[in-house]
Order: sequence, then C-alpha cells, then structure tokens
Amino acid sequence: QTVVTQEPSLTVSPGGTVTLTCSSSSGAVASGYYPNWFQQKPGQAPRALIFGITNKHSWTPARFSGSLLGGKAALTLSGALPEDEAVYYCLLYFGGTYVFGTGTKVTVL
Amino acid sequence: EVQLVESGGGWVQPGRSLRLSCAASGFTFDDFAMHWVRQPPGKGLEWVSIISWNSGSIAYADSVKGRFTISRDNARNSLYLQMNSLRPEDTAFYYCAKDIGGSLFTYWGQGTLVTVSS
Repeated sequence: QTVVTQEPSLTVSPGGTVTLTCSSSSGAVASGYYPNWFQQKPGQAPRALIFGITNKHSWTPARFSGSLLGGKAALTLSGALPEDEAVYYCLLYFGGTYVFGTGTKVTVL
Repeated sequence: EVQLVESGGGWVQPGRSLRLSCAASGFTFDDFAMHWVRQPPGKGLEWVSIISWNSGSIAYADSVKGRFTISRDNARNSLYLQMNSLRPEDTAFYYCAKDIGGSLFTYWGQGTLVTVSS
C-alpha cells in the first residue's frame, strides 16, 4: 500500500510564502501520478485547488501555484492571507486507484 | 451549478449494513465517473471507490474491497454505496465527488456521517 506523505504542519506570516510538499513511498512523484491539491477548512468539504501539477481552477486564487520539486509535488502559497489557514491535501493517481496525502495544516500567524 | 447531495448516513451497529445515496444535478450525470471518499472525524481523506460513467469499470480501496459495493442509476442521476459488514473503523464522513476532464475530485458534496458503534 503506497503512502503519500506531507508535512504535518507549517506556519507562515501574513504576506509570506510557504511551500508544501507531497512525496510517495513508491518513489519520485512524476507527471503520470497526476498530482492534485485540495484545501479543507473546518466543517467544510474539501475544495479543489490545483490539478495536473500546475493547473488552476477558475476559483483558485492566483497566490496558489503547483509544481514538481525534487521528486515531490509542491504547492506554493505566495502572499498568505488569514483566510488561507486550512488543511491542504495532495492526491496522487496510481493507475486505477487514488491516494490522498496525510495533509498539512497551514497556520497564518 | 453542480450539486452533489449525500444522504443515508447514521448510526449502525458493527456487522450491519447501510446504503448511502448521492443525488447529482447541474451536469450531465451519465457523462462522468463518480467517486466516494471518506474522512474519519478529525482525520485525513481516504479514497473509497470509483465507478465509470456506464458502470463498466469499478475499483475499490483495499480497506473496503469485498464489503462495499458502488453503483449508479443514470436515469435517476444518483450514485450509491452499499456498505456491508460495517466495522468501527468505517466511521467517517462519506463524500461523493466527480472529476471534470483532467481534474480529479473537482466537485464534492457536503458529506454524510456514518457512525459504526455498539
């Protein structure tokens, strides 16, 4: 069973930049794993942010961006706002099955 | 506007069964594959199952294989999850979700809570 690992928690100052990463126990994350990123606030369903490594939805704020970084998928938040405080999950596709990451709690403080 | 509304959650004893439903609207239901995802209270997300647009392709997470059955009724714009032999570790919010093209799990319902306890 593949495990997808994220940082448990990160703190960023208002207006600052933070990068979240997503790694796979089966090896380097590549485009074929089709990384997606989601944001979840307390009491709400997850919301899709990034798909296919770098692509944004129409509702995704410009301050969020996705990339591949050193064999991991990455989500960068530039110019953090208080409303960005949430748990962020990555998702990787393994040819018919899907594995969510362990989640990163981002605190804006 | 895409809407996904889950129902059927509740409290159930271990070993019993429950059937969840997801009512879809705002899009052509039979054009898209659909998923179930679950989240134990206070914990992370776990993909449960996927069903293709015509029910021809189905897959499950190992944790539910042999106990859960996903199905859909395109005439009723509805997705289902039949959950048998329920265990306490199946306690979670259950969400239905849909992909759009290359975007996975683009839209989510609000979730329905299943509690398995004696």
